[in-house]
Amino acid sequence: ETGVTQSPTHLIKTRGQQVTLRCSSQSGHNTVSWYQQALGQGPQFIFQYYREEENGRGNFPPRFSGLQFPNYSSELNVNALLLGDSALNLCASSPETGMNTEAFFGQGTRLTVV
Amino acid sequence: GQNIDQPTEMTATEGAIVQINCTYQTSGFNGLFWYQQHAGEAPTFLSYNVLDGLEEKGRFSSFLSRSKGYSYLLLKELQMKDSASYLCEVGFQKLVFGTGTRLLVSP
Repeated sequence: ETGVTQSPTHLIKTRGQQVTLRCSSQSGHNTVSWYQQALGQGPQFIFQYYREEENGRGNFPPRFSGLQFPNYSSELNVNALLLGDSALNLCASSPETGMNTEAFFGQGTRLTVV
Repeated sequence: GQNIDQPTEMTATEGAIVQINCTYQTSGFNGLFWYQQHAGEAPTFLSYNVLDGLEEKGRFSSFLSRSKGYSYLLLKELQMKDSASYLCEVGFQKLVFGTGTRLLVSP
């Protein structure tokens, strides 16, 4: 059973650029959630995908968008990057949707915007 | 929005017991998780509470009181490796994390 994997592990982008981060969910999991974690803070919920559809969204602007594929892997896309988008982006998968199931986290993608 | 409150930092000595509290707004509550996060690593699941009472798992226990909007994580027989951030996450219509409690265990 493979765990949650994210790519790339580190990324440096320039302000105004666009970025795509990828996540492969744990085998048998159909739900993926994305979080943004600034240094010294708890993770902030961006959105959740269940069976290829968005299933809940946090307080992030529309320039944060996502996709989930038939194999349940997922992408996080961020347009028009701002310096404040520099953070650790975490993906977590769970075996079902809803807000009451344990999530398994990937190691994250550290995004730096310069 | 839903606020999750945790102490920012706590210190304890090896072998001791420490209790980390978490309070939240009760409206729309749908379960509470505790995660451990070592510096530079991803959070790992510790416990889940949806009903009132104590859930015990080895050295770690978690307690929930839904009417009071209160939970705590109890760590017994502290070890140096328990130095980490402990995150309380609450399920409402969405998942909300607290800012985490940084625990430092000293010899």
